[in-house]
This record gives sequence, structure tokens and C-alpha cells, in this order.
Amino acid sequence: NAGVTQTPKFRILKIGQSMTLQCTQDMNHNYMYWYRQDPGMGLKLIYYSVGAGITDKGEVPNGYNVSRSTTEDFPLRLELAAPSQTSVYFCASVQGVPSYNEQFFGPGTRLTVL
Amino acid sequence: GESVGLHLPTLSVQEGDNSIINCAYSNSASDYFIWYKQESGKGPQFIIDIRSNMDKRQGQRVTVLLNKTVKHLSLQIAATQPGDSAVYFCAEKWGSNYKLTFGKGTLLTVNP
Repeated sequence: NAGVTQTPKFRILKIGQSMTLQCTQDMNHNYMYWYRQDPGMGLKLIYYSVGAGITDKGEVPNGYNVSRSTTEDFPLRLELAAPSQTSVYFCASVQGVPSYNEQFFGPGTRLTVL
Repeated sequence: GESVGLHLPTLSVQEGDNSIINCAYSNSASDYFIWYKQESGKGPQFIIDIRSNMDKRQGQRVTVLLNKTVKHLSLQIAATQPGDSAVYFCAEKWGSNYKLTFGKGTLLTVNP
């Protein structure tokens, strides 16, 4: 299993540009999450999904959108990039019962908005 | 959710020593507390969790202690090795859909 994969690894955007961060997992997990991690800080939840076709907002959803058309894929969309969105973005998935605390994380996407 | 914080942002230990990483939490409604390890340039990795009705749980070279009276969580690493050098996050689970709230992290450096 590849686990959770994310693309791209790095990206530089100009203010106002848009992009999609890709996330794919091959573990057949229903639950998936997007986090952002600012320097020296913990992870903050942006959006999450409990299954295909179902998404919900996390702690910091403003400026982002998600979709979940399949169990495997959970892309994160930035429509109008702002410098405040400079961060490292992590996608994660979890099996659920019985291992509901063990989230599997991807390697991250480092995004810079200039 | 309420915040989860850490007492010590950095910790430096000698190889072979035991390490203790601390965490304070404020949400009494959390049903699980979890420790994650994040190596440089990688995503966090699950280490161990403890249910809120437990005081102690042991894993391989790690022990987590939970003191609900003072809302304190700690991770003890026995015989610390250079490969243990990383940022350690405590997290708490509360509410539905297995969502986690993460603390800020402690950087552990192991000196050979």
C-alpha cells in the first residue's frame, strides 16, 4: 500500500491564483481530513469527510473548498490565494473502528503565496 | 474546541536517557488523548493513545500518563535514541467523526 499520497510537494502561488491540492489514499478509509500547519504550530483542521459525497467544515475553512466524489480522493481547492494561506498542508485518513485515533498522514504540500 | 497546549517547547536529552514530554489540556469532554511524532519534512505519525478513563498506558519504549485532576498528559520515552529526535504533538479527540485537536508540539533533540 502507498498509504496517503499528496501532490504537489511544493508550490509557489501568486496572490489571487487558484490551485488544487491532491490527496489520495489506498487503504479504503472512509474518514479523511485536511490540515494546515503554520511554522512552529500544531495542525489545524480545515475540512473533513466521513465518506464519499459528504464533507464538512473544520476549524479554519475560510478560503478553501473540498469535494469527495470517491472514497480514495479528497482534493482541497484554494480559489483566491492569499499570503495568509502560506503553510504546509497535510491530508490524513483514518479507518474508524477500532483504530479511530490512528490517522495516517501524507507527506504534505508546502505552499507559499507571494 | 478548546486548545491543547504544551509546557516545554524544546527538550534536549542524551542518548540513552529517558525523556518526558508534557502536555496540558483544557477540554474535559475529550474521550481520548493521543501522541503523534513528526520527523522533519514528514507528516505526523501515531505513537500511542489513552482513553480518558485510564491513568496509564504502555507501548514499546513509550508510556503515556493521564492526570485528569490537573488536566495533564505526558509521554515518557525510555532509553531515548537519535531516531526519536522529532516534534511530538499531543492531540485530543472529542465529539464525532474522529476529529482531533492538536497542540503546538515539543521539539525533542537527542544528543549522541
